[in-house]
Amino acid sequence: GAVVSQHPSRVICKSGTSVKIECRSLDFQATTMFWYRQFPKQSLMLMATSNEGSKATYEQGVEKDKFLINHASLTLSTLTVTSAHPEDSSFYICSARGSGYQPQHFGDGTRLSIL
Amino acid sequence: SQQGEEDPQALSIQEGENATMNCSYKTSINNLQWYRQNSGRGLVHLILIRSNEREKHSGRLRVTLDTSKKSSSLLITASRAADTASYFCATDGLDSSYKLIFGSGTRLLVRP
Repeated sequence: GAVVSQHPSRVICKSGTSVKIECRSLDFQATTMFWYRQFPKQSLMLMATSNEGSKATYEQGVEKDKFLINHASLTLSTLTVTSAHPEDSSFYICSARGSGYQPQHFGDGTRLSIL
Repeated sequence: SQQGEEDPQALSIQEGENATMNCSYKTSINNLQWYRQNSGRGLVHLILIRSNEREKHSGRLRVTLDTSKKSSSLLITASRAADTASYFCATDGLDSSYKLIFGSGTRLLVRP
């Protein structure tokens, strides 16, 4: 089945640090990748949609300068949380889908803790 | 913003019993999907039902869709302790963006 690898699984860092999270589709080409944020015991909130080779589309209320997304190849998208602060602490999950209608396949998430 | 609401928010049952979770949504959809999430992990795709389908089965899972009521249900039969997880419905709208809007989720606990 389709596998999406997300790395790292856990990050703890100081306030002001920039953190990069990688999302890779291991056995298929991901036309589109999605980035979500999830607070404890809550649902997933879509942050942005990225298509290979084009700029990401951000959901309303998501700061594009804060959450930089790059989708440079058909198998890799990155989310960089710039100058992270404690309120950015959360669980970030990526997903990827291939061409045509395919379900989204999810990574295992990254737990980000900003001290 | 979240589109779907799920109920119950939490469900605790004994192993062997059936578990039913309901999902309601607000706008027209192409399809509805159910996902499972173990604590602290990503989501696993369970089943997809298209807007022109009314019922779908996969193993111990049965999903129904009522587009007139904008609702869906997920039934897990003969539950097992390993079914303990959060379950989310997600809808794919008509705008061809492939974006999913997730429901609020049901936390299922299956007691051994």
